[in-house]
Amino acid sequence: ETGVTQTPRHLVMGMTNKKSLKCEQHLGHNAMYWYKQSAKKPLELMFVYNFKEQTENNSVPSRFSPECPNSSHLFLHLHTLQPEDSALYLCASSQEGQGIAGELFFGEGSRLTVL
Amino acid sequence: AQKVTQAQTEISVVEKEDVTLDCVYETRDTTYYLFWYKQPPSGELVFLIRRNSFDEQNEISGRYSWNFQKSTSSFNFTITASQVVDSAVYFCALSERNNAGNMLTFGGGTRLMVKP
Repeated sequence: ETGVTQTPRHLVMGMTNKKSLKCEQHLGHNAMYWYKQSAKKPLELMFVYNFKEQTENNSVPSRFSPECPNSSHLFLHLHTLQPEDSALYLCASSQEGQGIAGELFFGEGSRLTVL
Repeated sequence: AQKVTQAQTEISVVEKEDVTLDCVYETRDTTYYLFWYKQPPSGELVFLIRRNSFDEQNEISGRYSWNFQKSTSSFNFTITASQVVDSAVYFCALSERNNAGNMLTFGGGTRLMVKP
């Protein structure tokens, strides 16, 4: 199995819909991340979970709601999104500790289109 | 605040040419990490290299080499004898470390097109 898997790969939703993105890592890592990649902006960090605890919320609107039920799974719940939220959402994981910045392993992303 | 600048948004070369991708960073941290990632059309970012701020030795891995110059805050990436499979978007990133995790600040990316 690939290290980090994301589902669905593509999602089209209306502004009033509720949907969720799922991420699973098979690497035994202790940290997971959500990044947003828009067409004209650099990759933006949205959320960080370390040992299942959310440790960073990078000023993300409340219409994005993360959930990390265990160290292998990460969800991003979406509701009442705006068209400008259309982007590629990338999940990543890393092994943190001992003062070394672990490299992030990324999934292939979920391409979201909001109509 | 941390910042990473990749001034080249797109580079086009012919196969077998050498190409250098530039990366300039800003940070107030004395301890930091720099990364390069490759993003092929499939979407996932593939880790290429990590370098910590105390190790200024250049590194070579096959056709890839990296030049870390702390004095100019640059971490440039060179591909020797480029191949069509090298076509991708390449991102340079800087790590802001705290107990929360490894939070990367990415540059805007450089799209490399290698033509046959």
